[in-house]
Amino acid sequence: SQQGEEDPQALSIQEGENATMNCSYKTSINNLQWYRQNSGRGLVHLILIRSNEREKHSGRLRVTLDTSKKSSSLLITASRAADTASYFCATGRGYSTLTFGKGTMLLVSP
Amino acid sequence: DAGVTQSPTHLIKTRGQHVTLRCSPISGHKSVSWYQQVLGQGPQFIFQYYEKEERGRGNFPDRFSARQFPNYSSELNVNALLLGDSALYLCASSLEPGQIINEQFFGPGTRLTVL
Repeated sequence: SQQGEEDPQALSIQEGENATMNCSYKTSINNLQWYRQNSGRGLVHLILIRSNEREKHSGRLRVTLDTSKKSSSLLITASRAADTASYFCATGRGYSTLTFGKGTMLLVSP
Repeated sequence: DAGVTQSPTHLIKTRGQHVTLRCSPISGHKSVSWYQQVLGQGPQFIFQYYEKEERGRGNFPDRFSARQFPNYSSELNVNALLLGDSALYLCASSLEPGQIINEQFFGPGTRLTVL
């Protein structure tokens, strides 16, 4: 079963705009991770935020985590056409198993 | 350094057959996890192995089995294939499991089509 739910399911923006994706989850977690997937291929790890962190930055990415609301958001600033992909949040608990949401499909048009 | 490798890239089987998928983790990584990703969905956890022992199993039938070898590579076996087993099978490696998760590195996946 899916732990997380990403919102929106699909997002279409122009290059240079910011893209915000949200993720909600159900159970307690140790950490939350965001991944990118291009054209149904392997997943690329973007960023990990631990349950005791509230915000984290990596380049053009900004992730927030609100454990009281069981939600996270991923912000991609100044988006590029190359950012076109599916984005998944995944929660971790215990060993290295991850529980993924259904993903947000992002389309960035030139 | 090579990343996680998986073979084969694509595979076509018919219902009732069995399939073996292979994964080689990043050098130095001792934990391998398998995930199934059906079209339009997020990956679903199947198995995790660490030091050749099963450390976790997802909600999959007994037709699915896996093992890890002394060199930390892994095989996923699926017997009596069903149409619904058609999916992208992803392998991920990490240093070792723990309460504070290590980053998992994913391979490119094996796309299995069952006809």
